[in-house]
Amino acid sequence: AQTVTQSQPEMSVQEAETVTLSCTYDTSESNYYLFWYKQPPSRQMILVIRQEAYKQQNATENRFSVNFQKAAKSFSLKISDSQLGDTAMYFCAFTQGRNAGNNRKLIWGLGTSLAVNP
Amino acid sequence: KAGVTQTPRYLIKTRGQQVTLSCSPISGHRSVSWYQQTPGQGLQFLFEYFSETQRNKGNFPGRFSGRQFSNSRSEMNVSTLELGDSALYLCASSSYGRTGELFFGEGSRLTVL
Repeated sequence: AQTVTQSQPEMSVQEAETVTLSCTYDTSESNYYLFWYKQPPSRQMILVIRQEAYKQQNATENRFSVNFQKAAKSFSLKISDSQLGDTAMYFCAFTQGRNAGNNRKLIWGLGTSLAVNP
Repeated sequence: KAGVTQTPRYLIKTRGQQVTLSCSPISGHRSVSWYQQTPGQGLQFLFEYFSETQRNKGNFPGRFSGRQFSNSRSEMNVSTLELGDSALYLCASSSYGRTGELFFGEGSRLTVL
């Protein structure tokens, strides 16, 4: 079964500090894409960062970076210099298969609720 | 560019009724996906439409259906509502230029009494 596990239902961090959110996934496919999405309170879900499984280099987007460990099927998200606006639910997700790049059927974790405290 | 628009934002129905939810994608986006979000199950894929054709379908009963119009607007319908259908229904549009990036609407929150 294809699954995504986010083992930390809730986390908190002080403003300006660094926090890491964990994600593990299970798939037998070799071609897949991994994503972190963010859902702020009462606002739309938005893409934070994506990683293609065949790329060794970890993706980065400004203060957001990932630690992709393919053999361990681990895909953690690091948020540096946390800001109050980072308070949100964070979801780890992936698509897979031959057409993974155009596959809109994402498999999602249950999310980690992150609170950034002033 | 206007974002993804979902209507209605909130609705309350009773068991046995049916409901239709609407989604207007970002201009130029031809793919529309629907997800059900609940606290216990998280986000679960319902279906995706591209150019008026259903491309992919999740594991939901036949009571859940959808369609897409020539202007890419999409609707989903749930018939014979059950209490367990209470959820936030999210619509996401996308183009095929950026892999995997879904643009979500604010959702339609359905409560079934």
